[in-house]
Amino acid sequence: LAKTTQPISMDSYEGQEVNITCSHNNIATNDYITWYQQFPSQGPRFIIQGYKTKVTNEVASLFIPADRKSSTLSLPRVSLSDTAVYYCLVGDSNYQLIWGAGTKLIIKP
Amino acid sequence: EAGVAQSPRYKIIEKRQSVAFWCNPISGHATLYWYQQILGQGPKLLIQFQNNGVVDDSQLPKDRFSAERLKGVDSTLKIQPAKLEDSAVYLCASSLVFGSGRNEQFFGPGTRLTVL
Repeated sequence: LAKTTQPISMDSYEGQEVNITCSHNNIATNDYITWYQQFPSQGPRFIIQGYKTKVTNEVASLFIPADRKSSTLSLPRVSLSDTAVYYCLVGDSNYQLIWGAGTKLIIKP
Repeated sequence: EAGVAQSPRYKIIEKRQSVAFWCNPISGHATLYWYQQILGQGPKLLIQFQNNGVVDDSQLPKDRFSAERLKGVDSTLKIQPAKLEDSAVYLCASSLVFGSGRNEQFFGPGTRLTVL
């Protein structure tokens, strides 16, 4: 089974850019990398998804190097409401869904 | 658009008892997922359905857990008998089409199970 690795926790301040990296070995060659956000007592919520290079939407950017063994979620100008747990999700070579353990992001005023 | 519905939201049972959770996915979503999320951990996929067929149940403890998705819509996850280590939040999610990781999953609020 593939494994993903993320930092357990991160702190930052309002208005800063936050980058969270996920390492994922044995990712399926044609599978996507997806990031989710989860608040307490809620189910995860989709943030962004990509296959390679860079993807940007209205809330985040996702950077994926050519070897696709890692990905970096970038949150620009964070606010207190971005305090949450962030998960990366990949499919492994057996097309099983592998979730990271999550990164608890705390934004301070 | 209505989201993924789950019930009950909370359940407390004694070990060795049985429990069932219900999920109603977003209308038209072909793929349905059941996850177990233990406090402080990421979601663990238990079973994935494509319409009413099972795509992946490799991490489902089949000696005590069972799931069905009749008519390719609603789904029920059952635990019989429950163990203390089954205490967790059980999340249901759905996505429009099949494809591991490729498709946005929409999650329900989850059912928090406590086994005493």
